[in-house]
Amino acid sequence: GESVGLHLPTLSVQEGDNSIINCAYSNSASDYFIWYKQESGKGPQFIIDIRSNMDKRQGQRVTVLLNKTVKHLSLQIAATQPGDSAVYFCAEMISGGSYIPTFGRGTSLIVHP
Amino acid sequence: DTAVSQTPKYLVTQMGNDKSIKCEQNLGHDTMYWYKQDSKKFLKIMFSYNNKELIINETVPNRFSPKSPDKAHLNLHINSLELGDSAVYFCASSPPLSTNEKLFFGSGTQLSVL
Repeated sequence: GESVGLHLPTLSVQEGDNSIINCAYSNSASDYFIWYKQESGKGPQFIIDIRSNMDKRQGQRVTVLLNKTVKHLSLQIAATQPGDSAVYFCAEMISGGSYIPTFGRGTSLIVHP
Repeated sequence: DTAVSQTPKYLVTQMGNDKSIKCEQNLGHDTMYWYKQDSKKFLKIMFSYNNKELIINETVPNRFSPKSPDKAHLNLHINSLELGDSAVYFCASSPPLSTNEKLFFGSGTQLSVL
């Protein structure tokens, strides 16, 4: 079946480095994508989203890139901080229907001071 | 004020018992969900309700029964608990699915079946 997946289950970086978390999706009908951050002991929290009519969206220290051709999106975190340590999920949705957000497995980001 | 609150935070119980997890949201959302997160952090949808009506019921044993007394509440009752039910259960809410909006999650209920 179709699924949302991540290339790397764990990513370790040094504080101050830039982090890139990748996500592959296979449902070509998906047109809305969300990145969530889940800190230890908490529920996932929204970070940033992007719709399929865009290929890049920037937030505060985060940027999401969408490549519809290869069905890939990435989350870039600039100047990674220890507080960024968490599990990151991408989720895909389809407009206008009852398509439930489907989550990938998650990438654990570990930031070393 | 907590937007999506679920209780209890931790639940430890014996196999075969029946337990419930409660969820409430004060965001005025029409749609609520239950997700199960396993030990490898995989988040899997279990149920979705829209304005008190079931709209999605994924492949979940019928020992799991959601109940929505009103659109602000979605409780999860589990009968005859099994070892494999041990996981973290997350409640979430959102505006109607057709509007493509993000989900708001509760802080999770860690269920341990002994």
